[in-house]
Amino acid sequence: DIQMTQSPSSLSASVGDRVTITCQASQDISNYLNWYQQKPGKAPKLLIYDASNLETGVPSRFSGSGSGTDFTFTISSLQPEDIATYYCQQYDNLPRTFGQGTKVEIK
Amino acid sequence: QVQLQESGPGLVKPSQTLSLTCTVSGGSISSGSYYWSWIRQPAGKGLEWIGRIYTSGSTNYNPSLKSRVTISVDTSKNQFSLKLSSVTAADTAVYYCAREQDWFDYWGQGTLVTVSS
Repeated sequence: DIQMTQSPSSLSASVGDRVTITCQASQDISNYLNWYQQKPGKAPKLLIYDASNLETGVPSRFSGSGSGTDFTFTISSLQPEDIATYYCQQYDNLPRTFGQGTKVEIK
Repeated sequence: QVQLQESGPGLVKPSQTLSLTCTVSGGSISSGSYYWSWIRQPAGKGLEWIGRIYTSGSTNYNPSLKSRVTISVDTSKNQFSLKLSSVTAADTAVYYCAREQDWFDYWGQGTLVTVSS
């Protein structure tokens, strides 16, 4: 299985701050990487697919980059409604695997 | 707008079989090149992909669960189903169904299944 390692596991930032989460794959996955947002009690929501493509309807403050084994997810200006846990997910191989999640809180 | 809805018992006894169904609305489960997946999440933990089915009936399972999992599809009812046998407390989780096209773009709301006697 391809292991996905996210860091940090949690972070606290102020409204308006730039927030960055990293995701490292245990092997080269090209750009086959997606990002999801999960709010408490809700299903995950797709934000970014193919490492850098913004899903329709998702605010432009969210972005993704990277290829190979190292990927970055950025919120350019943190908003109160962005409080959630964020997951990366690879689709280079089966089984599909997710990172352990990064919990984002407001300072 | 595609919508998915999980249904099934919320409580299953140890050693028994967990059975869930996902009903798809807003589109035919047979249209397009999509896989239909099951994903679970124990309380306070991360996401685990269980497996998926294509409308042709071909399946892929997570090797960690493969010996206990069966996913099937009923195109006439626009549904797909999950069976997980010989459950233990470790199978207690919120179970989600989702549509996959390399990424999971539509998800059900999730259903909590507790394994307990």
